This record gives sequence, C-alpha cells and structure tokens, in this order.
Amino acid sequence: DVKVTQSSRYLVKRTGEKVFLECVQDMDHENMFWYRQDPGLGLRLIYFSYDVKMKEKGDIPEGYSVSREKKERFSLILESASTNQTSMYLCASSPAEIQETQYFGPGTRLLVL
Amino acid sequence: AQKITQTQPGMFVQEKEAVTLDCTYDTSDPSYGLFWYKQPSSGEMIFLIYQGSYDQQNATEGRYSLNFQKARKSANLVISASQLGDSAMYFCAMRESYGNNRLAFGKGNQVVVIP
Repeated sequence: DVKVTQSSRYLVKRTGEKVFLECVQDMDHENMFWYRQDPGLGLRLIYFSYDVKMKEKGDIPEGYSVSREKKERFSLILESASTNQTSMYLCASSPAEIQETQYFGPGTRLLVL
Repeated sequence: AQKITQTQPGMFVQEKEAVTLDCTYDTSDPSYGLFWYKQPSSGEMIFLIYQGSYDQQNATEGRYSLNFQKARKSANLVISASQLGDSAMYFCAMRESYGNNRLAFGKGNQVVVIP
C-alpha cells in the first residue's frame, strides 16, 4: 500500500523560529512536492524535486527552502517563520510518468504565533 | 493566467442523486493529464480519477466518471448516487508534459450531501 508520511499533523511555532517539515515516501518515487493550502486559494506549489539533490521552485517559494538528500525524504524548511506562513502543508510524491497520480501525505497544520 | 478554473459555489446535493462538478482548463500542450481529488474534512487528498488528453473514452471509476470535452477544454466530474461520505472538497488538477510532472490545481468545489 502506498504511503506518504509527514512528521507532524499539528505544529505550533513562534515567529522567527526555524521550522522543519519532514516528508517520507516508501514507493521509490522520483518526484516529491510541497504545497500549502489556504481557504479559497486551493493548493499552491512551493517547491518540488524530481531527483535526489535536485529542486525547483514552484509558484510561491519565497520564505521557504527544501532539502532532498535521500530519494525517500523531502524536507521543507521555514528559515524564519512568520505569521503569514500559518497554513496547511501537504507533501506529495509521484512516479515520473505523466499518467500517474500524486500521492499525498496527511498534511501538517502549522500555526505561527 | 489560471490553468484550472472551478467556479461553482458550494453545493448541497440530495443523497442518491447525481452531482456534476465543473472544471475548465487552459493549456497549449497537446499531451496532458487531468485529475480529480477528494479532500474530506480530515484533510487527506484522495485520488479519484484520471483522464489523459489522448484517451478516446471518458474515464470511469465506480461511481465517478469524467465528462471530457477536449474542444471545450472541459473535464467535469460526475458523481452518481451520492452518499453522505461524498461530502468533501473536490479539486481538479492538470499535469502538462513539459511541466516537470507538477500539478496545477483549481480552487476546489465544496459538496455537502444531505440525507
């Protein structure tokens, strides 16, 4: 059974803190993605990676960075958390083929105070 | 420019009735894929159905079918015989062949099934 896990379901951090969100997939997928979801805005792509150590900016990369040192793990880093980064963060992975779906993790609800 | 458009307001649907969720898309890529996902209140995104741009027939998966009208760039989701568990947000998404496998999502449609 396919599985994408995220390190936390709920997270509360203070402004200025460095925040790490971890995502792990066990399907040997090439591609991994980080989205944020806000009411009325749908899912917006922050960063994605199509191979180990490779990363590309999505639509809203400002204030975020990522790391992919191993194929199964893709980390999202908030260098200095701000209140406007309070959101739901979803990680996904997919094989390389165009017809394949992305598989999503359960999401992390981050609150920055 | 927005690649995926979902403009319907929230919908109430009677149990056992069918519901159609609209999705229009914009692309110049001849090879693309269209996806529908369901997101219940728990937050997980659940894949429902896929339609490839070269597929001749409309995709079907159980109670879900996709009304694919390529010339109109439309990919509407039809849920037949609605159940209470169908209450959720529904997202349409598109993957283009030159997009490094990234998905562009619409803003979603809220569906509430009433008994």
